[in-house]
Amino acid sequence: GQNIDQPTEMTATEGAIVQINCTYQTSGFNGLFWYQQHAGEAPTFLSYNVLDGLEEKGRFSSFLSRSKGYSYLLLKELQMKDSASYLCAAMDSNYQLIWGAGTKLIIKP
Amino acid sequence: GAVVSQHPSWVICKSGTSVKIECRSLDFQATTMFWYRQFPKQSLMLMATSNEGSKATYEQGVEKDKFLINHASLTLSTLTVTSAHPEDSSFYICSARLGDPGELFFGEGSRLTVL
Repeated sequence: GQNIDQPTEMTATEGAIVQINCTYQTSGFNGLFWYQQHAGEAPTFLSYNVLDGLEEKGRFSSFLSRSKGYSYLLLKELQMKDSASYLCAAMDSNYQLIWGAGTKLIIKP
Repeated sequence: GAVVSQHPSWVICKSGTSVKIECRSLDFQATTMFWYRQFPKQSLMLMATSNEGSKATYEQGVEKDKFLINHASLTLSTLTVTSAHPEDSSFYICSARLGDPGELFFGEGSRLTVL
């Protein structure tokens, strides 16, 4: 079956670095997405990886290893506004997104 | 970036009535739009995939006669919750695919409360 695993909740300190891991199993693979979702709001796109390696975009970076079925989202210089849920989603061979349950990130001062 | 607009943001209705939610891609044409439902503290649940000019593809367990989806143009898809009941109260979110393999852009979401 198809499955996405990511931690339920993480806590980090303002100014620090946090890494949110995601493992996936899908029927075929057409890329891995990360979305940020604040409570009561729709998700917003953060990153897309389809090739192995690290993609850097400002304070956020995303890594993919296709052979391991593994991705992580790295957030640097954490700010209070980064407190949100982070959703990992893998696109299968039919271009459908398989969503993880999300990781709630709590930032403490 | 691409913009997807969803309307209304909030809707309260009486049990037994129908509610229509619109999803528009404002600055691009979307051949495929997706409708999701999200209950509190849960992940997005895909309800259906809407393709312009054809019937929507519903996920298992989603009643197609209750959740009517129309994708009449490349920029508009609508979800109608028919004969709504309190258990239909949820956060409904649409997304539109741009390009290949298709980055998804989400609408703002619509919070439905059925009394």
